[in-house]
Amino acid sequence: GENVEQHPSTLSVQEGDSAVIKCTYSDSASNYFPWYKQELGKGPQLIIDIRSNVGEKKDQRIAVTLNKTAKHFSLHITETQPEDSAVYFCAASIGAGGGADGLTFGKGTHLIIQP
Amino acid sequence: KAGVTQTPRYLIKTRGQQVTLSCSPISGHRSVSWYQQTPGQGLQFLFEYFSETQRNKGNFPGRFSGRQFSNSRSEMNVSTLELGDSALYLCASSLARSSGNTIYFGEGSWLTVV
Repeated sequence: GENVEQHPSTLSVQEGDSAVIKCTYSDSASNYFPWYKQELGKGPQLIIDIRSNVGEKKDQRIAVTLNKTAKHFSLHITETQPEDSAVYFCAASIGAGGGADGLTFGKGTHLIIQP
Repeated sequence: KAGVTQTPRYLIKTRGQQVTLSCSPISGHRSVSWYQQTPGQGLQFLFEYFSETQRNKGNFPGRFSGRQFSNSRSEMNVSTLELGDSALYLCASSLARSSGNTIYFGEGSWLTVV
């Protein structure tokens, strides 16, 4: 089945700086890559997603890039703010018609924004 | 628009008991998936239901089961609870089959087994 590796496990950045979280996946059939933010005591909240026919997607301060050849994708957060502090998860899944495992998640990155 | 609603939010059970968790998907969503989240194993896929049928199943023992009703609401059941079943159980919904479609999570049900 699919395997997703996520790095780093903890990331501390100064407020206003950028943060980058990287993930690699193993199954070349995966074609959907969402990112979730999870705050303490809450469920994961979708923040951005990308499909394999797109190389980059932006939404205000958040962007995701995908390199299908290398099988890796990254989350970029610019101008970080205190409310960005949370655990971020990347995930991968095979598109409709395939995939017995739903979403396969990375282990998560604890992002800490230092004031 | 209401999000994914899970009940109960918190519960404590004793080893050997069974538990039923409930999930109401976002209105109009027909696919419901369940995930288990633990500090050690992270987020793991349990199963997916679509049109009242289980479509996919993760690598969990048969003690974990679920069902979906005609209104897309879903329940999951864990029988003969073990200490290792203590976890956050998350329900997620999507418009169509979960694979490749945008998936939205509920706040989860915190289960503690003592």
